Amino acid sequence: GAGVSQTPSNKVTEKGKYVELRCDPISGHTALYWYRQSLGQGPEFLIYFQGTGAADDSGLPNDRFFAVRPEGSVSTLKIQRTERGDSAVYLCASSPGHPYNEQFFGPGTRLTVL
Amino acid sequence: AQKVTQAQTEISVVEKEDVTLDCVYETRDTTYYLFWYKQPPSGELVFLIRRNSFDEQNEISGRYSWNFQKSTSSFNFTITASQVVDSAVYFCALSTGTASKLTFGTGTRLQVTL
Repeated sequence: GAGVSQTPSNKVTEKGKYVELRCDPISGHTALYWYRQSLGQGPEFLIYFQGTGAADDSGLPNDRFFAVRPEGSVSTLKIQRTERGDSAVYLCASSPGHPYNEQFFGPGTRLTVL
Repeated sequence: AQKVTQAQTEISVVEKEDVTLDCVYETRDTTYYLFWYKQPPSGELVFLIRRNSFDEQNEISGRYSWNFQKSTSSFNFTITASQVVDSAVYFCALSTGTASKLTFGTGTRLQVTL
């Protein structure tokens, strides 16, 4: 079956612009996670959805970051007024939703803010 | 707060050598899960193993084995008879609470040469 997909694979934008990153989870997975991975670091948690609602958004760095999952499947991570420090690989993962299940990761979106 | 430490930044071995990747974790929770993920040069994180805090049995899967010791808060990963295809960055991760968000270590880059 299809794995987690993310689009675009690469995004280059200018400082101050708005960007949207999309994640398509594995079909039937109710839990969806966003992580951010900077060069040479491990992924850092951003936000977790269970169904349509954000169950934990404690990892969002500030109010420029927002994510939605309106129908409980596809999710969009939105970043306003991008800054150079936002440059990273943004990873999406999904899982069947039972606590502590392994998460299946997508290939990521590499965001570069010039 | 949760923390995962992978003290080995980079390891280089010659093919067929055994190699152990160290992972030390910190948490105040009594229920937690530990994970290992592999990130090959292609970038996509690949799940390797999950272990819960109540199961200290060591596990072997082919050339891979894991040693979980609660007394030292360690969850080490050994590759026996390493192969060039094992070259990747390996991440240890910790999950606590119902959100199941993962706290990753900084990763260990393993380079296996002929």
